[in-house]
Amino acid sequence: AQKITQTQPGMFVQEKEAVTLDCTYDTSDPSYGLFWYKQPSSGEMIFLIYQGSYDQQNATEGRYSLNFQKARKSANLVISASQLGDSAMYFCAMREAMDTGRRALTFGSGTRLQVQP
Amino acid sequence: DTGVSQDPRHKITKRGQNVTFRCDPISEHNRLYWYRQTLGQGPEFLTYFQNEAQLEKSRLLSDRFSAERPKGSFSTLEIQRTEQGDSAMYLCASSLAQGARDTQYFGPGTRLTVL
Repeated sequence: AQKITQTQPGMFVQEKEAVTLDCTYDTSDPSYGLFWYKQPSSGEMIFLIYQGSYDQQNATEGRYSLNFQKARKSANLVISASQLGDSAMYFCAMREAMDTGRRALTFGSGTRLQVQP
Repeated sequence: DTGVSQDPRHKITKRGQNVTFRCDPISEHNRLYWYRQTLGQGPEFLTYFQNEAQLEKSRLLSDRFSAERPKGSFSTLEIQRTEQGDSAMYLCASSLAQGARDTQYFGPGTRLTVL
């Protein structure tokens, strides 16, 4: 089974509107972390936001927020007030077994977001 | 604050040749990671160092791959006897061992093309 599933290969959004990028995950570990990264066409992965499995509140970082539904094993990224510069690939990633010191991130296949003027 | 740097940015080689990539992490970061990303996919973990110790290796890291971080600063990833299937973007990341989050910050990558 896929550890991280991103079901939207591509998404379009109008400038200034909000968009939600979906991510579901699969783990039996109680301690895990979820990350979102942005990858523009230049190739560099840019960290956006983090949610820990024990965090009580949904994470927010500026225009980015994470809709964390633990029982459904989903961690959707919400981008508010989209800008043209938000056009990029977006990857959801998970680090499992955080209390054992594992460091590897497992990534989904990504969602390509295009912001239209 | 200088980010993660990687050299070279692009490498074209012929099948069977050896290649070596270098990664310089963010200066105070003690953890360093290597990932491989093929076209249309997310990055796949290869290996990770804490200081100079290699603590985790993926089964993707075949015998032809070797990574080092001799002084706990920069790291090198060598691929021997390259194959066309090795063509990919090789990404390096670093993190500071501080708290559970331990966010990994990535470099620009080295794009390898094996002819």
